[in-house]
Amino acid sequence: QKEVEQNSGPLSVPEGAIASLNCTYSDRGSQSFFWYRQYSGKSPELIMFIYSNGDKEDGRFTAQLNKASQYVSLLIRDSQPSDSATYLCADSRGGGNKLTFGTGTQLKVEL
Amino acid sequence: GAVVSQHPSRVICKSGTSVKIECRSLDFQATTMFWYRQFPKQSLMLMATSNEGSKATYEQGVEKDKFLINHASLTLSTLTVTSAHPEDSSFYICSARGLGTSGGYNEQFFGPGTRLTVL
Repeated sequence: QKEVEQNSGPLSVPEGAIASLNCTYSDRGSQSFFWYRQYSGKSPELIMFIYSNGDKEDGRFTAQLNKASQYVSLLIRDSQPSDSATYLCADSRGGGNKLTFGTGTQLKVEL
Repeated sequence: GAVVSQHPSRVICKSGTSVKIECRSLDFQATTMFWYRQFPKQSLMLMATSNEGSKATYEQGVEKDKFLINHASLTLSTLTVTSAHPEDSSFYICSARGLGTSGGYNEQFFGPGTRLTVL
């Protein structure tokens, strides 16, 4: 069983819509969760992290964490074509431990 | 803040040669650096974790004698691919975590990556 699972997509949304990206994890010991964006041919870029149940907002991005369901999501409001990329979810047990990445969801924002 | 650089960005070499890739943290001290490999249309694969002044910890299936990692200072780690072969062609990415980069939540900051092509 994969430790961090994501739907590979592609997820297509029209420009201006809300894109919803989902991720589940299997390790109940995970303490912090990360969303990275990766453009084709480039390295990942940290968007945000979350460690408490509930929502965390940063600009157009909102991360949601539900530890009981072992579920993390990323909402992108007012999606732009420049948001088209692969979004990687990762978790960590904290305390200096490594991140475990999902395989990523490809997002396409269409004009 | 939290800028990580890699050099070179792209390298082409002949089969059997060795290639060294440098990873530097530019504005923080990286107590831990990670080396990943990514093949086309696949996710990141962690190769090894490197702590400053210690031997690297390799993931299962990664040959430590082929992929030599050195983390001699708090701002520099190197990955040397020894006796490279065409199957080693990949996108190699380092990341760093360290003092002053986080609130203790373990986030990693990635370098821009090195694209290795072995002929």
